[in-house]
Amino acid sequence: NAGVTQTPKFQVLKTGQSMTLQCAQDMNHEYMSWYRQDPGMGLRLIHYSVGAGITDQGEVPNGYNVSRSTTEDFPLRLLSAAPSQTSVYFCASISGMFNGTQYFGPGTRLLVL
Amino acid sequence: KQEVTQIPAALSVPEGENLVLNCSFTDSAIYNLQWFRQDPGKGLTSLLLIQSSQREQTSGRLNASLDKSSGRSTLYIAASQPGDSATYLCAVRGGNTGFQKLVFGTGTRLLVSP
Repeated sequence: NAGVTQTPKFQVLKTGQSMTLQCAQDMNHEYMSWYRQDPGMGLRLIHYSVGAGITDQGEVPNGYNVSRSTTEDFPLRLLSAAPSQTSVYFCASISGMFNGTQYFGPGTRLLVL
Repeated sequence: KQEVTQIPAALSVPEGENLVLNCSFTDSAIYNLQWFRQDPGKGLTSLLLIQSSQREQTSGRLNASLDKSSGRSTLYIAASQPGDSATYLCAVRGGNTGFQKLVFGTGTRLLVSP
């Protein structure tokens, strides 16, 4: 199993540009989520999905969209990038909704100029 | 609101020492607690998962305990090695924030010197 994969590893955007961060998992996990990690603030939940076709907002959803058309893929879209979205983004999936181990991807470093 | 605190923020020890990392949380109604390791520029690797009904979990030189009633968990690392140098994060699921997200502490940065 490849586990949770993310692309790209690093991206530079200009303010106002849009882009999609890709996330895929091959473990057949229903539950997937996106976090951002910022210095001194830990990891914060952006959006999550409990299965194909079902998504919901997390703690910091503004400026981001998600969709879940398949169990495997959970892309995160930045609609109009802002410098405040400079961060490291992690995608994660979980083996069981309430008591499973959370698996993380390697992260995408995003710099918005 | 669930809050997770990790003490100390940073720790430097010589190789071979046994050490304890601390994690505390404010809402004891959790489903589980998970310890992660993060190497610089890398993702998070799960070390141990403790369910709310469990008191401890062990994996190799690592032992994690959970005292739900007092809102505390400890990660014990025996016979530390330079390869243990990393940031260690604890995270809880559940409580008044629901099951949807993990609430993370800000981590303990560990440096083990040869």
